[in-house]
Amino acid sequence: DAKTTQPPSMDCAEGRAANLPCNHSTISGNEYVYWYRQIHSQGPQYIIHGLKNNETNEMASLIITEDRKSSTLILPHATLRDTAVYYCIVNFNKFYFGSGTKLNVKP
Amino acid sequence: EAQVTQNPRYLITVTGKKLTVTCSQNMNHEYMSWYRQDPGLGLRQIYYSMNVEVTDKGDVPEGYKVSRKEKRNFPLILESPSPNQTSLYFCASTPRHNTGELFFGEGSRLTVL
Repeated sequence: DAKTTQPPSMDCAEGRAANLPCNHSTISGNEYVYWYRQIHSQGPQYIIHGLKNNETNEMASLIITEDRKSSTLILPHATLRDTAVYYCIVNFNKFYFGSGTKLNVKP
Repeated sequence: EAQVTQNPRYLITVTGKKLTVTCSQNMNHEYMSWYRQDPGLGLRQIYYSMNVEVTDKGDVPEGYKVSRKEKRNFPLILESPSPNQTSLYFCASTPRHNTGELFFGEGSRLTVL
């Protein structure tokens, strides 16, 4: 199963777009890209997922490169409540989470 | 309400005293899994189950057992807990293993003295 690489931390100003990158260069053709976030020690929360096409929902947008080796999660207008650890995972049989990116949204 | 329920939420125990953390989901999901979370190590998968009577090891299965006798329940068993199993544990479920979002429980914080 493919694994992912994410920066350990990022900062973003409140009201600005937060762009969180993820590298998944070993992804297979049938593996989806999922994004979750975890606020403090709560259970992770699903954000969005995609296979090939870009996706958008009420929380975020997901941009997947044409070769599917990387993706970017976009929070269009970050708020203080978006401060969390964001996990990018690819999945076939197992959901492998890794350490994620700690996003700090600052006033 | 669709949910994943874990019990207990908090537990302090002693080395060697067998314990079970229960996990139950009411969404008729096929796939269930257990994770542990430790500072600096992210979420690591312990065991997963793709359906009733089907379980498989995750990345850190040592010291743990699971069973999946019913679709809704996936208990995590620590036969002889040790201090290195002190951690925050999460149970999760999803309709199928290769698509759909994971629903997480609220977590169980376990301390082994």
